Amino acid sequence: DAGITQSPRHKVTETGTPVTLRCHQTENHRYMYWYRQDPGHGLRLIHYSYGVKDTDKGEVSDGYSVSRSKTEDFLLTLESATSSQTSVYFCAIRTQGGSYEQYFGPGTRLTVT
Amino acid sequence: GQQVMQIPQYQHVQEGEDFTTYCNSSTTLSNIQWYKQRPGGHPVFLIQLVKSGEVKKQKRLTFQFGEAKKNSSLHITATQTTDVGTYFCAGNNAGGTSYGKLTFGQGTILTVHP
Repeated sequence: DAGITQSPRHKVTETGTPVTLRCHQTENHRYMYWYRQDPGHGLRLIHYSYGVKDTDKGEVSDGYSVSRSKTEDFLLTLESATSSQTSVYFCAIRTQGGSYEQYFGPGTRLTVT
Repeated sequence: GQQVMQIPQYQHVQEGEDFTTYCNSSTTLSNIQWYKQRPGGHPVFLIQLVKSGEVKKQKRLTFQFGEAKKNSSLHITATQTTDVGTYFCAGNNAGGTSYGKLTFGQGTILTVHP
């Protein structure tokens, strides 16, 4: 599983509260990604990182911010959670060496009430 | 932006029947990947196709990449209950610096009845 962990694994929060999800990897991978998964939409890229302090937006970045101050940690923050952000969030890393295959963490199920 | 469409959305089969899912991209891809997600689990990488017209096999699974590098398919022969899950294709755009970003199809949910 490429040494990827996500925390928390489950969270219920109220509308308007800030939420931070953490992705931690132990194998020094440069590229990291945050996706959300919703029925009928597959996996949609929220933000990605190509190095420490190097991040960029994906296709569904509105309402989300990220930070990567260390190689091993990639944080996803919902500044003010909304019900539309109820989803399963997956973190992924990309392997080195020119291939683009990605390995995913176990996911975080977030419910915004 | 790039779109990847995958059909069908659902497929119910009897154990032993074959299964195929199709993937079409709005743009030419540099490569395409396939992932499987078991119920309650996370996506797991299956295979990557790079060359035009490429065909790869993994036991009962056959993967194809179209000649124009805009479509792909996954075929499972004689399905088993262990094949249950959602199968995703994911495309990587041709050209430029993409940082390995993938565009996923919506997935095909496969149910196998024993």
